[in-house]
Amino acid sequence: AQSVTQPDIHITVSEGASLELRCNYSYGATPYLFWYVQSPGQGLQLLLKYFSGDTLVQGIKGFEAEFKRSQSSFNLRKPSVHWSDAAEYFCAVGALLTGNQFYFGTGTSLTVIP
Amino acid sequence: NAGVTQTPKFRVLKTGQSMTLLCAQDMNHEYMYWYRQDPGMGLRLIHYSVGEGTTAKGEVPDGYNVSRLKKQNFLLGLESAAPSQTSVYFCASRGTDYEQYFGPGTRLTVT
Repeated sequence: AQSVTQPDIHITVSEGASLELRCNYSYGATPYLFWYVQSPGQGLQLLLKYFSGDTLVQGIKGFEAEFKRSQSSFNLRKPSVHWSDAAEYFCAVGALLTGNQFYFGTGTSLTVIP
Repeated sequence: NAGVTQTPKFRVLKTGQSMTLLCAQDMNHEYMYWYRQDPGMGLRLIHYSVGEGTTAKGEVPDGYNVSRLKKQNFLLGLESAAPSQTSVYFCASRGTDYEQYFGPGTRLTVT
């Protein structure tokens, strides 16, 4: 069965510091992987996605993620965090070859300290 | 271009009451989804549709029904609301690029 694990429920970083949010997935085939961000009271916005090819993908707002098949991971990174990055971040895997469904992790809440 | 809209934004129901949530998209997307978001559980798929006139069950379909009579609309119905259905409901649509576009959500409270 497909599943996504985000082991960190909450992370606090200082503004200007680097950030890494962890995501591990379980999926039998080549996964379609996504990172979404949700600001308080808002819907989800796509940060980046990976389907194939270069395992390091760039997204919006200065975010990047690296797909590591051997570790079943798709971690999100940002070299220097801004206060406006405080939000909830969700990793998702698309089971698009078998059922057009998406599976989301439980999310990581990011707090940015001035 | 409004993207994905959801109606209503907030609703309070009493146990046993029924209601319908409306999702509309103006991007001509074939695929539409209904999720519920609960604290600590992320988003869970309720039902989805791969085109007009088609629907399918997701992870947590019990207690919900859906209809896709028009390509741009995807309705989520609760026939007899229960407190366990208190949640924030999100609709999404996606095109051929696999990116899901989310609506702003509906906060439902069942007392």
